[in-house]
Amino acid sequence: AQTVTQSQPEMSVQEAETVTLSCTYDTSESDYYLFWYKQPPSRQMILVIRQEAYKQQNATENRFSVNFQKAAKSFSLKISDSQLGDAAMYFCAYRPRDDKIIFGKGTRLHILP
Amino acid sequence: EAQVTQNPRYLITVTGKKLTVTCSQNMNHEYMSWYRQDPGLGLRQIYYSMNVEVTDKGDVPEGYKVSRKEKRNFPLILESPSPNQTSLYFCASSKTGNRGAQHFGDGTRLSIL
Repeated sequence: AQTVTQSQPEMSVQEAETVTLSCTYDTSESDYYLFWYKQPPSRQMILVIRQEAYKQQNATENRFSVNFQKAAKSFSLKISDSQLGDAAMYFCAYRPRDDKIIFGKGTRLHILP
Repeated sequence: EAQVTQNPRYLITVTGKKLTVTCSQNMNHEYMSWYRQDPGLGLRQIYYSMNVEVTDKGDVPEGYKVSRKEKRNFPLILESPSPNQTSLYFCASSKTGNRGAQHFGDGTRLSIL
């Protein structure tokens, strides 16, 4: 069965520092998409970044970047220059060809001023 | 404005009283999906739909029904709600072709007493 694992239920980082959230997944497929979503206290689900599995280049969106290791089935999110507004729950998600999407259980990120 | 609209946002009801949570999107997306979010469990997919009249079970379909009679609407039906269906529910939509990122509604907080 396909699974997504976020091994860090909670993390803290000092404002302006860099933090990395981990995500691993299990699949036998070669064609899929991976996503990171942010859920602030308002509980909205906000797309942070997206990665296509067939692309070797790691996706980047401003201060957010991923380290995608396809062979290791790892998809970590790096947040640089952390800001107070980055405090949220972060979810990793896997979307295969059949579109049965699987989310991890989330990592709650605290930003320390 | 592109959006996914869920109603109601909050509902408190009693065991066994049928209820429907509506979901509508204005982006002409083929793909729509329902999730429930519970503490410590992340988001779990209930049902999804690839297009009109096509629906498939997600990971936790028991106790729920859906229908997709029109492209823009994807209601979630609880025929006989029970307390274990107390949760935060999200509807989401996306294009199918490029399996892009989903747009989420603002969530519906359901309490079944």
